[in-house]
Amino acid sequence: AQKITQTQPGMFVQEKEAVTLDCTYDTSDPSYGLFWYKQPSSGEMIFLIYQGSYDQQNATEGRYSLNFQKARKSANLVISASQLGDSAMYFCAMREGEEYGNKLVFGAGTILRVKS
Amino acid sequence: NAGVTQTPKFQVLKTGQSMTLQCAQDMNHEYMSWYRQDPGMGLRLIHYSVGAGITDQGEVPNGYNVSRSTTEDFPLRLLSAAPSQTSVYFCASSFLPGQGGEKLFFGSGTQLSVL
Repeated sequence: AQKITQTQPGMFVQEKEAVTLDCTYDTSDPSYGLFWYKQPSSGEMIFLIYQGSYDQQNATEGRYSLNFQKARKSANLVISASQLGDSAMYFCAMREGEEYGNKLVFGAGTILRVKS
Repeated sequence: NAGVTQTPKFQVLKTGQSMTLQCAQDMNHEYMSWYRQDPGMGLRLIHYSVGAGITDQGEVPNGYNVSRSTTEDFPLRLLSAAPSQTSVYFCASSFLPGQGGEKLFFGSGTQLSVL
């Protein structure tokens, strides 16, 4: 079974609008971490946001927030007030447990295009 | 700080050649790892290390070797390159989970082509 599923291969959003990128995960470990990364066309991997499984509050970092629904095993990324520079590939990733360091499993990614 | 430094940025090999991709970090991170990125498949873990002298296999380790003699360096060796190893390779590092490891830092990547 896929550990991380990103069901949206591509998304379009109008500039200044909000967009939600979906991510579901599969684990039986009670301790895990969820990450989102942005990969622009230049290729670098840019860290956006992190959510721990025991965190009570949804994580936020500027215009990025993570909608963490533990019972549904979903960790959707919400980008508010989209900008043209948000056009990129977005990856969701998960770390299971802590004993193996930050051994992340990545989803296949979602390409986001912001329209002016 | 330089962060995570990977060299080279681009490399072309012939089938059967060997080479080493270099990775160094200056953040005193215990955890280091190598990923490969193929089109449409996201990133897959090749090898990882939780400290000097400790390495382990990830999801796709065949054809690759690693060693971790220092905290700073984590080279990836291709033993006998094959066209299936054509990919973009990323090195990444972080503190351990629970000790500041809520962010995995990536290098800028190496584009490798095997002919």
